[in-house]
Amino acid sequence: GIQVEQSPPDLILQEGANSTLRCNFSDSVNNLQWFHQNPWGQLINLFYIPSGTKQNGRLSATTVATERYSLLYISSSQTTDSGVYFCAVDSGYSTLTFGKGTMLLVSP
Amino acid sequence: KAGVTQTPRYLIKTRGQQVTLSCSPISGHRSVSWYQQTPGQGLQFLFEYFSETQRNKGNFPGRFSGRQFSNSRSEMNVSTLELGDSALYLCASRGKVNTGELFFGEGSRLTVL
Repeated sequence: GIQVEQSPPDLILQEGANSTLRCNFSDSVNNLQWFHQNPWGQLINLFYIPSGTKQNGRLSATTVATERYSLLYISSSQTTDSGVYFCAVDSGYSTLTFGKGTMLLVSP
Repeated sequence: KAGVTQTPRYLIKTRGQQVTLSCSPISGHRSVSWYQQTPGQGLQFLFEYFSETQRNKGNFPGRFSGRQFSNSRSEMNVSTLELGDSALYLCASRGKVNTGELFFGEGSRLTVL
């Protein structure tokens, strides 16, 4: 099956810093989503981005489908950005394969 | 528009018991899928239902089963619980099969003692 690798596994930032999270996948995909998992476990949708670039406030994402990677940018990070960020892809079988996540800690 | 609703949110069971978890999708969504999250294995696909039919099943033993009702609500059942079944069980829905954004519920956290 498709493989999804996220990097870095852990990231510690000072409030106000910028960061880039990466997601590599091993096959072509027709769905790619970025999620933020809150402390209670819920997966919060950030982006649905099988290709192209999208922006939502301080967050933006780019997926280069031909090169099989996606990037999540967080600018001017805040303590509330802390948590685990997941990339998940669907290669056409209607199921999401998740990466192991990036644990982000933003300190004041 | 209400999101995906899962019940119960927390439950504790003992080995050998069975458990049933419920999921109500976003109104109008007919595809419902289930995922298991554990610290060791991460997030893994369990099964997907569309129009009351199971379309896909992940690599889990037969103790894990599910169903979908005509109103698109779904239940999953785990029989003969084992300690390793302790996990966060997440349900997701989307409006179309095979494509489109998935939306997740808050999860049901199961502890098996």
